[in-house]
Amino acid sequence: QKEVEQDPGPLSVPEGAIVSLNCTYSNSAFQYFMWYRQYSRKGPELLMYTYSSGNKEDGRFTAQVDKSSKYISLFIRDSQPSDSATYLCAKQRSNYQLIWGAGTKLIIKP
Amino acid sequence: EAEVAQSPRYKITEKSQAVAFWCDPISGHATLYWYRQILGQGPELLVQFQDESVVDDSQLPKDRFSAERLKGVDSTLKIQPAELGDSAMYLCASSFGQGVGLAGYNEQFFGPGTRLTVL
Repeated sequence: QKEVEQDPGPLSVPEGAIVSLNCTYSNSAFQYFMWYRQYSRKGPELLMYTYSSGNKEDGRFTAQVDKSSKYISLFIRDSQPSDSATYLCAKQRSNYQLIWGAGTKLIIKP
Repeated sequence: EAEVAQSPRYKITEKSQAVAFWCDPISGHATLYWYRQILGQGPELLVQFQDESVVDDSQLPKDRFSAERLKGVDSTLKIQPAELGDSAMYLCASSFGQGVGLAGYNEQFFGPGTRLTVL
């Protein structure tokens, strides 16, 4: 079993829809969880990170961690075609190394 | 805005040839990472440097891959000889990373990557 599991998609939704992206993890000894966005042929860029459990909001994006169920979620409100990208979840080890999910390809249809 | 630089952006080579990738991290970042990302997968850490020292190269195929960061600034990743299965995106990232065991969040900043195709 991988430490971080993520459905690779693709996930296709119409413009304006609420998007829900999810990951599960298997080891509870982590405090920081991240979401990176990766456009085609580009490097990943950090969208948001959360510490421990709970929610964090930044504009149209909300990151949520549920440590009891070992679930990481990213919600995108009012989705735009420019949100079309691959979204990678990751968790940070104590040595700063990141354990990555496979990434979910998101397609927002105009 | 400071960025991680990588070159070349694209590289096409034939199997058994040697290839080299270069990375210049954000100024002041002590930690440098090389990742390999196969299409449809998340990045896989190949090697991690703290200044000029290798912290972790446990996933680096040392029979054909080598990495160096001689002056603790820029870094080179080499493959000799390249194999068909090496076709992937090679990503470089950097972070402040003050050392192992410190609590706190440590953001990694990524370069644009080098897309390698081995024919």
